[in-house]
Amino acid sequence: QSALTQPRSVSGSPGQSVTISCTGTSSDVGDYNYVSWYQQHPGKAPKLMIYDVSKRPSGVPDRFSGSKSGNTASLTISGLQAEDEADYYCCSYAGYPYVFGTGTKVTVL
Amino acid sequence: EVQLVESGGDLVQPGGSLRLSCVASGFTLRSYWMSWVRQAPGKGLEWVADIIQGGSDKYYVDSVKGRFNISRDNAKNSLYLQMNSLRAEDTAVYYCARVGFGGRYFDYWGQGIQVTVSS
Repeated sequence: QSALTQPRSVSGSPGQSVTISCTGTSSDVGDYNYVSWYQQHPGKAPKLMIYDVSKRPSGVPDRFSGSKSGNTASLTISGLQAEDEADYYCCSYAGYPYVFGTGTKVTVL
Repeated sequence: EVQLVESGGDLVQPGGSLRLSCVASGFTLRSYWMSWVRQAPGKGLEWVADIIQGGSDKYYVDSVKGRFNISRDNAKNSLYLQMNSLRAEDTAVYYCARVGFGGRYFDYWGQGIQVTVSS
């Protein structure tokens, strides 16, 4: 199984919205709703931001949202803030193994 | 508060062995699947292994099958990863992670532990 495809980087100004795509296939992202998203600041452990495509864990700001269309899942950050600058990874489960995305660096201009 | 604390990382020669440990607190370990996920230097995340609540079912990424063994001791609130026949490409930060209850995602992560395989 190949890694899911994410853009290498996205950027936006404070207050703007950015969307990160995560492209898989009809056998993984397209066929199951087990897509999750993780935020990772430099030198830190990943943090769960979205699970089951669009569910948000307790404590995650509601400006983070997830969706899916066909073989592509997306994470949208609305009202971008300085602390959102980090790496973001999607992850899909369609039977073992779990597959992570290639990662996207979000830069707040 | 859920906490996962890894230990056991080290510098080891190719072909060597290492055992990672992860001590869990703040939740009932025996109720959750647990995982190991790794991240090579400057690279992305890679799932390594999963273990069911009671320890009877285990799953591995192909690249570590036959070399790594995931295990757990619920009475000691601990998760383990025995790594044998280590290769340079196993060099990474290894994270212990809890699988969300009834789900297929990682809801809590340890701080990570460095494993370096080099002569």
